[in-house]
Amino acid sequence: KAGVTQTPRYLIKTRGQQVTLSCSPISGHRSVSWYQQTPGQGLQFLFEYFSETQRNKGNFPGRFSGRQFSNSRSEMNVSTLELGDSALYLCASSGTSGDRTDTQYFGPGTRLTVL
Amino acid sequence: AQSVAQPEDQVNVAEGNPLTVKCTYSVSGNPYLFWYVQYPNRGLQFLLKYITGDNLVKGSYGFEAEFNKSQTSFHLKKPSALVSDSALYFCAVRVLSGNTPLVFGKGTRLSVIA
Repeated sequence: KAGVTQTPRYLIKTRGQQVTLSCSPISGHRSVSWYQQTPGQGLQFLFEYFSETQRNKGNFPGRFSGRQFSNSRSEMNVSTLELGDSALYLCASSGTSGDRTDTQYFGPGTRLTVL
Repeated sequence: AQSVAQPEDQVNVAEGNPLTVKCTYSVSGNPYLFWYVQYPNRGLQFLLKYITGDNLVKGSYGFEAEFNKSQTSFHLKKPSALVSDSALYFCAVRVLSGNTPLVFGKGTRLSVIA
């Protein structure tokens, strides 16, 4: 079975621009979560989606948004980029039933650099 | 609010020696605990999880972890470390009640020296 895929793998943007990151979950998985990883803050939770519905949202400003499509693929968008948004953005997929004990399987991440 | 602490930023161990990476948690309710490993420039790989049942959980690559409810700990262990085990290890916790996400510790960098 193919794993979680994330595109693009690397992105360089300038302050003020916007960016869209994409995540394709493991086939059959219906839950997708997004995390931001930085050296200083570690892994911070962004969003969780299940069957196109946002189930949970982390403590990030409104510039960070996401969505999930009917095929379970997910996108996250960051508008008006700031230098502090430079990070590794990780997507994880889990389960077919939305059970919160399901293991989350991670993609390789998208490395975003904001100049 | 739930939280996870990994008290050691760095753990060094000689190849062939046993290793322990520590994790303690704080939750309201029953915890569901996970360990992940991250190699350079890679995403997180799942090692093992505790949901319920036997307190000793066995996972991938010879790793195991023991759930200790009284000490609120879930330490990761391996009887004999390999150089290839050198990586960043994350402990994570979730509770079933309420609408809470998976919460990660800050990570512990394990260095296995030949």
